[in-house]
Amino acid sequence: DTEVTQTPKHLVMGMTNKKSLKCEQHMGHRAMYWYKQKAKKPPELMFVYSYEKLSINESVPSRFSPECPNSSLLNLHLHALQPEDSALYLCASSPTRQGANEQYFGPGTRLTVT
Amino acid sequence: AQKITQTQPGMFVQEKEAVTLDCTYDTSDPSYGLFWYKQPSSGEMIFLIYQGSYDQQNATEGRYSLNFQKARKSANLVISASQLGDSAMYFCAMRGILSGGYNKLIFGAGTRLAVHP
Repeated sequence: DTEVTQTPKHLVMGMTNKKSLKCEQHMGHRAMYWYKQKAKKPPELMFVYSYEKLSINESVPSRFSPECPNSSLLNLHLHALQPEDSALYLCASSPTRQGANEQYFGPGTRLTVT
Repeated sequence: AQKITQTQPGMFVQEKEAVTLDCTYDTSDPSYGLFWYKQPSSGEMIFLIYQGSYDQQNATEGRYSLNFQKARKSANLVISASQLGDSAMYFCAMRGILSGGYNKLIFGAGTRLAVHP
């Protein structure tokens, strides 16, 4: 089963709201990723978790706060977002952080900040 | 620096015909990996095919094949016998190495494929 699930599918939030995105995989993968994809653009890496530890932060603003409660779950906590943060947020996982492993993506959460 | 270039913003193909989506890359690493992903309008990125820089043969996965020309630094995706469900955005990507040996995917701009009946 090569499935990564993400909830919610769609999210509309105001600039003062606090919300969270959730990602789950049950493939035993030890690396998990958050990507941000603006309309008509390719995905851009935000964070990498390896063995439940934050390993890479691609200079993401602190209003985005990732969390990895266990090896299957990855959250992205959102607070005080800006309208320009509206995008598709994709979660991905891979067996390890290295090697020729493809990344398996979830369906994404379409976020609109009003 | 590593870079992926997809020069075709959009492509059209008739159902049941073959289509080639272009991808060129630039890297100074002798060891690298190239990927193709499909993204339907629903948003999910679907892994299609992988080619390693040391692989002797071109990768194939069902109707997908990768035309890997190392000297020309190209990794074109060939879809045979196109189906209506192949209509989507297609991204070529390269495995980039971050500090600490972590991987990231470096994507091209994408090619939107439309399959006509």
